[in-house]
Amino acid sequence: KNEVEQSPQNLTAQEGEFITINCSYSVGISALHWLQQHPGGGIVSLFMLSSGKKKHGRLIATINIQEKHSSLHITASHPRDSAVYICAVNSNTGNQFYFGTGTSLTVIP
Amino acid sequence: EAQVTQNPRYLITVTGKKLTVTCSQNMNHEYMSWYRQDPGLGLRQIYYSMNVEVTDKGDVPEGYKVSRKEKRNFPLILESPSPNQTSLYFCASSLTGAYGYTFGSGTRLTVV
Repeated sequence: KNEVEQSPQNLTAQEGEFITINCSYSVGISALHWLQQHPGGGIVSLFMLSSGKKKHGRLIATINIQEKHSSLHITASHPRDSAVYICAVNSNTGNQFYFGTGTSLTVIP
Repeated sequence: EAQVTQNPRYLITVTGKKLTVTCSQNMNHEYMSWYRQDPGLGLRQIYYSMNVEVTDKGDVPEGYKVSRKEKRNFPLILESPSPNQTSLYFCASSLTGAYGYTFGSGTRLTVV
């Protein structure tokens, strides 16, 4: 069973393009997270959302609780944005944390 | 600097030889957790802890033990490692579990 589904699995973009990564989940949640994992393996927390929209620099994250869907947008993409982006949710019936399998983004100069 | 420190970064061991991966955080976070990451399966939660002396199973707890005797430390113990526990392991902490997470740098474990 996959509590969290992400699409696309892989994404290649030209530098400067607008990028969208989608996340759908099937469980009740208290929060949704977007994580970034660089080729070296380290994981960084980008956003935590429970409603609405958040923006940090060129990154924007939105969530629609009714539709159980979130999107991560990257404006004016850059090669340094190349990484795996992971959607994760905190279940609201316990304290478990479920992850999507990630979206591998490559931005070509 | 606020951080989660995992050790070791890399470990190769043999089947059945007990090992411990340490995790320490300096942010006074109450929530700590362990994950494994495998190709095609993504990250999966092994155990988590809401506070000192409080631990709970995640999705894949079999073959692992944890303890939370102090707030800052949350070691992962493999009493009798097997090759199917070869994986990349991450520790993370959060103020309460429903806030942003800080991840450790990861431990790449190989069991032969």
